[in-house]
Amino acid sequence: AQSVTQPDIHITVSEGASLELRCNYSYGATPYLFWYVQSPGQGLQLLLKYLSGDTLVQGIKGFEAEFKRSQSSFNLRKPSVHWSDAAEYFCAVVLKTSYDKVIFGPGTSLSVIP
Amino acid sequence: EPEVTQTPSHQVTQMGQEVILRCVPISNHLYFYWYRQILGQKVEFLVSFYNNEISEKSEIFDDQFSVERPDGSNFTLKIRSTKLEDSAMYFCASSREGHSYEQYFGPGTRLTVT
Repeated sequence: AQSVTQPDIHITVSEGASLELRCNYSYGATPYLFWYVQSPGQGLQLLLKYLSGDTLVQGIKGFEAEFKRSQSSFNLRKPSVHWSDAAEYFCAVVLKTSYDKVIFGPGTSLSVIP
Repeated sequence: EPEVTQTPSHQVTQMGQEVILRCVPISNHLYFYWYRQILGQKVEFLVSFYNNEISEKSEIFDDQFSVERPDGSNFTLKIRSTKLEDSAMYFCASSREGHSYEQYFGPGTRLTVT
C-alpha cells in the first residue's frame, strides 16, 4: 500500500547527543519529500525539503536529511540535540501527480533529557 | 517573517451546531488548504482552494464541510452540523503560485464537539 512510515513512535535522547529520525515512503515514483516539526502549542513548521538534485539537504535549526532512493528513505539528522528540539516530527510527501496534497507520516515524538 | 494565523485557538461546540474556523493565509499566497488531525492520528488533507474554487478534496470533506474566501484576506472552513467525530485540530495552510507543494501551516484550531 502507498504510505509514509516513521518506524519510531517515540525517541528519547540526551542533550548534546546526535539524532536520527527515520522515514520511509512507498510510492511508485519518488515524491517530493519534507520534514515538519510541531512544537507544543505551535503549528507545523517546515524544517527542510527535497525536490531534486543533491540528496543531502540542509534545513533550519541545524537539521539535515538524506534522500536514499535505493532505500526509499528520507532520514532526518542533527549532530547535537538541544532541549528546545523536543517536539513532534512529521515526515511528509507530495506526489508529483497531486501537488495540492501533503501526505503526512504518523510522526515521531522526540524527548530530550537535560 | 509572515505567517499563517488561525482563530480561535480553541472552539468548543455542541453536537449539531455550526462552526466556522478562520484563517488568514500569508498575504501573497494564492493556494489555501485545510487539514485536520484527530487526537493520536495522522494529519489528514481535507481540501485545497485556488482561484475561488475547490481544486481537490478528500473523502472526509463531505457535504457538511464548506470553504470560502469571503474577502481578500480570510479563508474559512465551515462545518454545518458538527458531530462528535469532528473533534480534532484543524490546520490551515497556504502556498504561493508555482510552489503549491511547499505549504506553510498555521498554529491550528482545536475543535471540541460535546
